[in-house]
Amino acid sequence: NFLLTQPHSVSESPGKTVTISCTRSSGSIASFNVQWYQQRPGSSPTTVIYQDNQRPSGVPDRFSGSIDSSSNSASLTISGLKTEDEADYYCQSYDGIDWVFGGGTKLTVL
Amino acid sequence: EVQLVESGGGLIQPGGSLRLSCAASGFTVTSNYMTWVRQPPGKGLEWVSVIYTGGGTFYADSVKGRFTLSRDSSKNTLWLQMDSLSAEDTAVYYCARVRPAAGIDYWGQGTLVTVSS
Repeated sequence: NFLLTQPHSVSESPGKTVTISCTRSSGSIASFNVQWYQQRPGSSPTTVIYQDNQRPSGVPDRFSGSIDSSSNSASLTISGLKTEDEADYYCQSYDGIDWVFGGGTKLTVL
Repeated sequence: EVQLVESGGGLIQPGGSLRLSCAASGFTVTSNYMTWVRQPPGKGLEWVSVIYTGGGTFYADSVKGRFTLSRDSSKNTLWLQMDSLSAEDTAVYYCARVRPAAGIDYWGQGTLVTVSS
């Protein structure tokens, strides 16, 4: 199996832009879709990005996703940060049958 | 409206068994991929198992041989039978609907399983 490595935490000020990385340890990041989930304290996760860069309906366009084959990583970018964006963010991908989640990144908006 | 409601969690002794259920509404369980994801207290998400529309099931190595995922079309419900439980299985268990090759689109509220003597 492979690992998805995320920074443990990131912080940024309201109105700014933050990018959270998700690096795949083996196999190509482009081989399987990457999803991003947001989990606010005390709540179930919700999907903010699917299939690398697609936003579900209802997710603001401040959220965007991308992949970079050169670094074998995926990224979640949140622009125009709001205090309500403060949450844990998890990337997720596949290895054929198996699912793998990243360890999660705590985003603090201060 | 799509809804997923888990139940069956609780306190169980090491070595014991528990069956979680996930009642679905707003869609048909057998026409969708469904998955269970767990989250130990204060930790990250961990994939547990998936069932495909054809009935095929797959499990994480950490639960293989101990957990069994099944579904009941008449009740539109998903079941997770968990045997030989250990403290490492303590977690909130989420039931979720999967879009093929696109991850999870709906999550349940979760049910807490605590394995302790």
